[in-house]
Amino acid sequence: GAVVSQHPSRVICKSGTSVKIECRSLDFQATTMFWYRQFPKQSLMLMATSNEGSKATYEQGVEKDKFLINHASLTLSTLTVTSAHPEDSSFYICSAQIHRETGELFFGEGSRLTVL
Amino acid sequence: AQSVSQHNHHVILSEAASLELGCNYSYGGTVNLFWYVQYPGQHLQLLLKYFSGDPLVKGIKGFEAEFIKSKFSFNLRKPSVQWSDTAEYFCAVNRGGYNKLIFGAGTRLAVHP
Repeated sequence: GAVVSQHPSRVICKSGTSVKIECRSLDFQATTMFWYRQFPKQSLMLMATSNEGSKATYEQGVEKDKFLINHASLTLSTLTVTSAHPEDSSFYICSAQIHRETGELFFGEGSRLTVL
Repeated sequence: AQSVSQHNHHVILSEAASLELGCNYSYGGTVNLFWYVQYPGQHLQLLLKYFSGDPLVKGIKGFEAEFIKSKFSFNLRKPSVQWSDTAEYFCAVNRGGYNKLIFGAGTRLAVHP
């Protein structure tokens, strides 16, 4: 299957700082990537849809100024958590889509963010 | 609102027992259906998928799922589980024409030797 790489896998930061997470599709071009957030023992919550060359589409309740998404190329999308606070601590997962018609996603390894 | 329901949050089985995990979704029309698995410490992986055709689909590691349109269900089954099947299982639905994948809450399966 297609490979999606996410970096870093773990990050610890101080409250008020910003953290950038990268998501790369290694062996295919992804015009669309998705960012999910997973709380402990809960399901994946879709945060936003990242489209190459255009603005991301955010789900209701997700602050676009807090979670900045950039999809500058067909193989890279970044999520920046700005002015992070302890409540932003979570597991962030990116995924990439090859075929829009089917909706099938390939997932990165996830990034665990801990804000102190 | 779109929703995907997984009825079992935690399942505990002994090795060789049969498994069935329920998944129901709440909207009509064309759907694409998926089961993903997340083994401890690993990322999500696709187990199987249904787009069209035979409603009984077979996936990796002996898993299968049956799409029953009239029941809006896509239950996951395995005749005989192994300890290595211990993982969290997520059902996901993509509504035809939309590119979002909506996940169920997940079912945590523990298989005891």
